[in-house]
Amino acid sequence: GENVEQHPSTLSVQEGDSAVIKCTYSDSASNYFPWYKQELGKRPQLIIDIRSNVGEKKDQRIAVTLNKTAKHFSLHITETQPEDSAVYFCAASHPAGNQFYFGTGTSLTVIP
Amino acid sequence: EAQVTQNPRYLITVTGKKLTVTCSQNMNHEYMSWYRQDPGLGLRQIYYSMNVEVTDKGDVPEGYKVSRKEKRNFPLILESPSPNQTSLYFCASRRLAGDPTYEQYFGPGTRLTVT
Repeated sequence: GENVEQHPSTLSVQEGDSAVIKCTYSDSASNYFPWYKQELGKRPQLIIDIRSNVGEKKDQRIAVTLNKTAKHFSLHITETQPEDSAVYFCAASHPAGNQFYFGTGTSLTVIP
Repeated sequence: EAQVTQNPRYLITVTGKKLTVTCSQNMNHEYMSWYRQDPGLGLRQIYYSMNVEVTDKGDVPEGYKVSRKEKRNFPLILESPSPNQTSLYFCASRRLAGDPTYEQYFGPGTRLTVT
């Protein structure tokens, strides 16, 4: 099956700085890569996603990049704010989309 | 209000005592799934269902059963719980099976402790 690795496991940044979280996947058949944000005690929520036919996608301060050749994708958060503090998970899914494989999570702390 | 609900939210039980965690969605979604979340391991998929009476194993199905008799409900059954099933469980649903680009909506989670 698919193996998704995520780094770093913890990340601290100063407010206003950028944060980058990286994931790699093993199965070249995976073609959909969502990112989830999970605040403390809450459920995961989708923040951005990318399909394998796209190299980059942006949504305000959040962007995701995908390198299919190297099988890695990254989440970029610019101008970080304290409310960005949370655990972020990457995931990968095959074309049928029924199985999801998650990374182990990155705990992001934005220091005011 | 469109939502995924789970019950109970918290459960402490003993080894071997059968339990069921219910999951219900009111969005007429085809696809439903169960995940467990453990520290350092992220979320791992237990079972998923593409429609009524259609279920399949995820990555970690051992020790669990599911059923999908109605479109809105997808209960998770632990016939003989063991301490290694102590975890935070999330149910999720999505509008269409077979298309992962539809957003997956998660329930609030069920924290299970097996002693």
